[in-house]
Amino acid sequence: NAGVTQTPKFRVLKTGQSMTLLCAQDMNHEYMYWYRQDPGMGLRLIHYSVGEGTTAKGEVPDGYNVSRLKKQNFLLGLESAAPSQTSVYFCASGTGYSPLHFGNGTRLTVT
Amino acid sequence: AQSVTQLGSHVSVSEGALVLLRCNYSSSVPPYLFWYVQYPNQGLQLLLKYTSAATLVKGINGFEAEFKKSETSFHLTKPSAHMSDAAEYFCAVSGGSNFGNEKLTFGTGTRLTIIP
Repeated sequence: NAGVTQTPKFRVLKTGQSMTLLCAQDMNHEYMYWYRQDPGMGLRLIHYSVGEGTTAKGEVPDGYNVSRLKKQNFLLGLESAAPSQTSVYFCASGTGYSPLHFGNGTRLTVT
Repeated sequence: AQSVTQLGSHVSVSEGALVLLRCNYSSSVPPYLFWYVQYPNQGLQLLLKYTSAATLVKGINGFEAEFKKSETSFHLTKPSAHMSDAAEYFCAVSGGSNFGNEKLTFGTGTRLTIIP
């Protein structure tokens, strides 16, 4: 039982480059979330999805896009990376009747 | 809108001493409250949750928290600290009617250090 899997685990980008972070869950959860974690700021919600084909903005959506084409996958895209997007990114999933399950994070550095 | 404030970004306690991590919340609706723990290089794991049932909530690893509406607090305690408790702890709130899956709002975290 893999739970929530995030790929890649680490990535270094140059300013202006693009990339996609993949989150996959094998628990048939409807809800999926992308958070970023920065020192002294806790976790802040970027985007979330309440079901396949749906997405919604969270607290800090600027500079990010997401897609939920399949129920088990939630993709986070950075079209033009900026140093301010250096962070640890966490994906989470849930059913609406259970606590969130988190992945182990992706550490992204933008130089 | 909901928010949480965690008092103390770093807390150090001696092994065997009481652990007290503070969390105050603000919510316009009856809140659901959570404590999560994060070990180094890992994601967050649920310690315990309050969902309007008993005000004293027991979680894993000997932790518990008490919901006090009059003080808008949900402090986390453990009677006797263990070295394995060293981690970062996050308080979170949701005003949703479910387990807070939608728009869970986290505090800024408290890093707990255990002194041998």
